[in-house]
Amino acid sequence: GDSVTQMEGPVTLSEEAFLTINCTYTATGYPSLFWYVQYPGEGLQLLLKATKADDKGSNKGFEATYRKETTSFHLEKGSVQVSDSAVYFCALPNQAGTALIFGKGTTLSVSS
Amino acid sequence: DAGVTQSPTHLIKTRGQQVTLRCSPKSGHDTVSWYQQALGQGPQFIFQYYEEEERQRGNFPDRFSGHQFPNYSSELNVNALLLGDSALYLCASSLERQGRTDTQYFGPGTRLTVL
Repeated sequence: GDSVTQMEGPVTLSEEAFLTINCTYTATGYPSLFWYVQYPGEGLQLLLKATKADDKGSNKGFEATYRKETTSFHLEKGSVQVSDSAVYFCALPNQAGTALIFGKGTTLSVSS
Repeated sequence: DAGVTQSPTHLIKTRGQQVTLRCSPKSGHDTVSWYQQALGQGPQFIFQYYEEEERQRGNFPDRFSGHQFPNYSSELNVNALLLGDSALYLCASSLERQGRTDTQYFGPGTRLTVL
């Protein structure tokens, strides 16, 4: 079935470092792909999305490119801030297009 | 424009009790999905409601049931609570598009603790 695999964390960085969180997927066809972020004690917020191959989603300095050749949707940011500390989830819709299938999440911790 | 709202924020119950969680979708959205997020895990799909009917269900027992009202708000009911039901319950709303849901937007969640 469809699935998402994220790199395991935690990822610990210093402020202004470059961030990459890897995400690969298995799916039938070319579904939309999503990154959600969860700050401590909160629900999930949509960070960015891409709806077709080669699309680049971007928001708040974060970017991810939909790569069908490598079935990947890696999240990147050029210069992280302490306020970026959170758990990041990669997700895609199931084949019925109803539920979201999430990765296990990657915890990012940024220190000043 | 109000986003997705959920109530209550926190809830403590004992084993065997029943609980009802509530969700109001984002303005303009007609579809509500419920997810369970155990500590340290990604959210797991419970079910989705559209046009007041359960459209799809994840791998959860019948103790989990729901309802959608004409104003698109929704309730999640869990009967005969088990310790393992302790989790963050997330509601997500979206817009139905040609049999599929568009981007899902999440509420802040309800933290359920079962003692």
